[in-house]
Amino acid sequence: DVKVTQSSRYLVKRTGEKVFLECVQDMDHENMFWYRQDPGLGLRLIYFSYDVKMKEKGDIPEGYSVSREKKERFSLILESASTNQTSMYLCASSPLENRDPQDTQYFGPGTRLTVL
Amino acid sequence: AQKVTQAQTEISVVEKEDVTLDCVYETRDTTYYLFWYKQPPSGELVFLIRRNSFDEQNEISGRYSWNFQKSTSSFNFTITASQVVDSAVYFCALRPWNSGNTPLVFGKGTRLSVIA
Repeated sequence: DVKVTQSSRYLVKRTGEKVFLECVQDMDHENMFWYRQDPGLGLRLIYFSYDVKMKEKGDIPEGYSVSREKKERFSLILESASTNQTSMYLCASSPLENRDPQDTQYFGPGTRLTVL
Repeated sequence: AQKVTQAQTEISVVEKEDVTLDCVYETRDTTYYLFWYKQPPSGELVFLIRRNSFDEQNEISGRYSWNFQKSTSSFNFTITASQVVDSAVYFCALRPWNSGNTPLVFGKGTRLSVIA
């Protein structure tokens, strides 16, 4: 079974703090993704990575950065957390196309971040 | 540009009723994949189905069925004899074919409530 884990289910931080959200997958997937999910807005892509040390901006990268030092781990960093970054954060991974019969993204359980 | 529209924000049905969730998409690609995901209250997105654009056969899996119509750019999802456990947010998504690194484009989701 594919397993994508996220370091915390719930997190409370203060404005201005540096926040690290960690995501680990155990299926040797090349691609990893960070989304945020807000009511009425669905899932919005923040960043994604298709290889170690590679990263691509998604639709809403402002205020975020990422790090992928190892294939299995993809970290989302909020350099200086703000209240408008209160959200549910979802990590996902996927293999390169045609390496997997389902060829889809597998999601972690999510981290609900509250910034006070 | 690619876009997925789920016009129904929320649907409420009584148990055992059939319910159809609509998905309309826009893409300039001639080949692409379509997906449906389920997000139960626990938060983790669960993959339900992937469809190739060159395969317009409808698919049935137990109480779930999917109607893909390329002519109307729609990929609708029907649950027959709904159950309380079907209560969740359902997302439709799109990705070009043969572009293994491209992220999915998600609709905003439809929240389904099944009342006992």
